[in-house]
Amino acid sequence: QVQLVQSGAEVKKPGASVKVSCKASGYTFTKHAIHWLRQAPGQRPEWMGWINVGNDERKYSQNFQGRVTFTRDTSASTAYMEVSSLRYEDTAVYYCARLVWIGEYENWIDPWGQGTLVTVSS
Amino acid sequence: QSVLTQPPSVSGAPGQRVTISCTGSRSNIGAGYDVHWYQQLPGTAPKLLIYGNTNRPSGVPDRFSGSKSGTSASLAITGLQAEDEADYYCQSYDNSLSGSYVFGTGTKVTVL
Repeated sequence: QVQLVQSGAEVKKPGASVKVSCKASGYTFTKHAIHWLRQAPGQRPEWMGWINVGNDERKYSQNFQGRVTFTRDTSASTAYMEVSSLRYEDTAVYYCARLVWIGEYENWIDPWGQGTLVTVSS
Repeated sequence: QSVLTQPPSVSGAPGQRVTISCTGSRSNIGAGYDVHWYQQLPGTAPKLLIYGNTNRPSGVPDRFSGSKSGTSASLAITGLQAEDEADYYCQSYDNSLSGSYVFGTGTKVTVL
């Protein structure tokens, strides 16, 4: 079955960077983009952007532009997300998720990884 | 941030029917973008419940149904069960500014 498995929880100090991995299995990795999202405690999911794994095209949400970087390793079927200059308000569960694309008006997110808790604390 | 608005909470007794609304605008739902629904059980990742406004993925009970009209969408749960107690989020795409995927404010479903 399609599965996304993320790396483990992280604790970082303000100003540091964190890199989260997302290993895909059960489908052809290069045929689907990967979304990155985060969810702060008690909040709704927030979209951070996506990476087209096939051609390495990336789109970042304006809210994260310049502070987030998406990469991928097709040989390892793994996508990565790095957030720099961490702030206390970046404490959240970070998710990767597969984009299912039918067309511009018809595309959805499925499945999601299990999530990676990133805690920013001094 | 563009907002899809949902009621904070809905509740019902086992076996009852509940509905969750998702109100958007002309730059998202009203622009023709599909609405999708996700169920999030406590401590777990969101799970796709309805895609393309009305479609259920394999394995999702037919007690769950979705609809869309104009700038709004709805999720209905009929024959409410204890295991349906969770947070529910609608999601669509918004073409304002540079475009982004947007989520609803979330609805907590409580089974009385």
